[in-house]
Amino acid sequence: SQTIHQWPATLVQPVGSPLSLECTVEGTSNPNLYWYRQAAGRGLQLLFYSVGIGQISSEVPQNLSASRPQDRQFILSSKKLLLSDSGFYLCAWSRQADTEAFFGQGTRLTVV
Amino acid sequence: QKEVEQDPGPLSVPEGAIVSLNCTYSNSAFQYFMWYRQYSRKGPELLMYTYSSGNKEDGRFTAQVDKSSKYISLFIRDSQPSDSATYLCALYSGNTPLVFGKGTRLSVIA
Repeated sequence: SQTIHQWPATLVQPVGSPLSLECTVEGTSNPNLYWYRQAAGRGLQLLFYSVGIGQISSEVPQNLSASRPQDRQFILSSKKLLLSDSGFYLCAWSRQADTEAFFGQGTRLTVV
Repeated sequence: QKEVEQDPGPLSVPEGAIVSLNCTYSNSAFQYFMWYRQYSRKGPELLMYTYSSGNKEDGRFTAQVDKSSKYISLFIRDSQPSDSATYLCALYSGNTPLVFGKGTRLSVIA
């Protein structure tokens, strides 16, 4: 069976510090991978998605970047965090040409 | 006009009530319609999945799609306190990633 791992579960970081959130998927190959951010009252905002190694599409211009160094690994990064980067970050995967997305348990990021 | 509109609530109902959750959308290219359930501090999980117009039933849950009106609904019968969660609609056109509604927060009071 397929599983998705996302860590850490919670993170408190000072403004201006770097960020690295990691997500890995097991039990499938060549998945589509996604990073979402969920802020109160704003729903799920798609940040990045990837259909293959090294292929990243950015949906929203911002202080964040994403990389996919391996087939089942997706990393969300920032060089300098802003207060507005606080939120609940979710990684997800789907099979190629499939509709259903499977989510990780999320990372609660608080920038102070 | 946003692609998907969903009333964020919160919606509070007594145990045993019938709950109706809704989304409207503007893009007629959407063909696949889903409902996700998200418990507090957890990732969303797929609850119901419907292709095109019509109804789909799964236990106490019924998903309804009306493409002519661009309106989708999720009905929960005999609601339970364990149904308390945020419910998000999600739409897919086949070309781009899922588009999510903002989610409706539901509380079922025992």
